[in-house]
Amino acid sequence: GENVEQHPSTLSVQEGDSAVIKCTYSDSASNYFPWYKQELGKRPQLIIDIRSNVGEKKDQRIAVTLNKTAKHFSLHITETQPEDSAVYFCAASEENRDDKIIFGKGTRLHILP
Amino acid sequence: GAVVSQHPSRVICKSGTSVKIECRSLDFQATTMFWYRQFPKQSLMLMATSNEGSKATYEQGVEKDKFLINHASLTLSTLTVTSAHPEDSSFYICSARDRVTNTEAFFGQGTRLTVV
Repeated sequence: GENVEQHPSTLSVQEGDSAVIKCTYSDSASNYFPWYKQELGKRPQLIIDIRSNVGEKKDQRIAVTLNKTAKHFSLHITETQPEDSAVYFCAASEENRDDKIIFGKGTRLHILP
Repeated sequence: GAVVSQHPSRVICKSGTSVKIECRSLDFQATTMFWYRQFPKQSLMLMATSNEGSKATYEQGVEKDKFLINHASLTLSTLTVTSAHPEDSSFYICSARDRVTNTEAFFGQGTRLTVV
C-alpha cells in the first residue's frame, strides 16, 4: 500500500519568512496530493491540492510542487503570518480507484514573532 | 459545498461498553466513506473503508470485530467501538468524497472518545 513520508516534523520560521515542507510517496499509481492544515481538536482543512497532470500550483501565499519521477511533493508558504501556525499534513491518494487518502506524519509549524 | 457531519463530537464511556459514532454526508451520496483514528500529536491513520451495501475493508492491524462498520445507506456510515478500553481513547474522524462532482474529500468534525 501507499506510504507517505513527511519532513520536517517541526519547523519554526520567523514571521515574514518562507516555510517549506517536503513529502515523498511510494505508490506510483497515486495521482492526487492534498495538503491539510489542522488546528488542535478540529478536522483537517484542505489548503491546496495538486493532481499528477501538473507540476505546480499556486494560491496566493501557498504553492505546491510535484515531481512524479522522484515521487516528491512540497508545500511552500511565503510571507508567513502568525495564523499560519498549525499542524500541516501532506497526503496521497489514487483518485477514481479506491480514493482512500493516506497521510504523512505531519509538520508542526511555529511562526515566531 | 459538500458537507460531512459526524456525531457525537465527544463521548465518555465506561470500560467494556460500546460506543457508536455516526458519519453522514449531508448533500451528496457517498458509496464509500473512510474512518480514521488520530492519537494526540500524531497523524490520521486510516482504519477502514466503509462500502455502502457491502462489508468494510479494514487496514492491516485493525480488528474488524472490535471496530464494527455499517454503511446501510448512501448517506450514513457508522463506526461502533465494541468493548471499549482506555487504549481506544482517541479522536475518530470520518471522510467522504462526492464522486459526482469529483471535488475534494470532506471530513466530519471528529469524535473525541474517552474510555474511563
